[in-house]
Amino acid sequence: AQSVAQPEDQVNVAEGNPLTVKCTYSVSGNPYLFWYVQYPNRGLQFLLKYITGDNLVKGSYGFEAEFNKSQTSFHLKKPSALVSDSALYFCAVRGSYNTDKLIFGTGTRLQVFP
Amino acid sequence: DTAVSQTPKYLVTQMGNDKSIKCEQNLGHDTMYWYKQDSKKFLKIMFSYNNKELIINETVPNRFSPKSPDKAHLNLHINSLELGDSAVYFCASSQDIAASTDTQYFGPGTRLTVL
Repeated sequence: AQSVAQPEDQVNVAEGNPLTVKCTYSVSGNPYLFWYVQYPNRGLQFLLKYITGDNLVKGSYGFEAEFNKSQTSFHLKKPSALVSDSALYFCAVRGSYNTDKLIFGTGTRLQVFP
Repeated sequence: DTAVSQTPKYLVTQMGNDKSIKCEQNLGHDTMYWYKQDSKKFLKIMFSYNNKELIINETVPNRFSPKSPDKAHLNLHINSLELGDSAVYFCASSQDIAASTDTQYFGPGTRLTVL
């Protein structure tokens, strides 16, 4: 069965500092991994995805994520956080079978302080 | 241009009523989804339709009935609303459900409050 874990309910970081939002997954076959962001009272916006190839994936708004197969992780990173990055971040995983569903983590709230 | 749109944005209603939420996508996608986000922000799939055909039905009560008049629309009708149905409902679409790599694009959500 597929699953994804976001171990931190909240991450606090000062503006200008690097940020990391953690995600680990479990899936049969090849994993397809996604990050979404949800701003208050808004829908989910797609940030980036890993399908295959380079383990470092670059996405929107300066975010990137690193796929680590041995650690079954797909952590979201940004070199320099902005106050406007404060939002709820969801990691999601889907397996390679066409009946597999997109499974979301429980979300991590990122708070960037000025 | 709005890619995935939902109406209404807010819906407040009494227990026992029947209500519908509409979703439209102008991305030309074949697959559409309904998700429920509860008060703890947990997001879970309810249904998916591919080219008007039901593909996923995630043990959702029979009171919830999706309807897809064409592949650009997926509406959600809820009968006999209960307090526990209060949540934010998100519509999403992707190119093709058979392609696991496809990105799902989400609508803005409909916040349903049952009193």
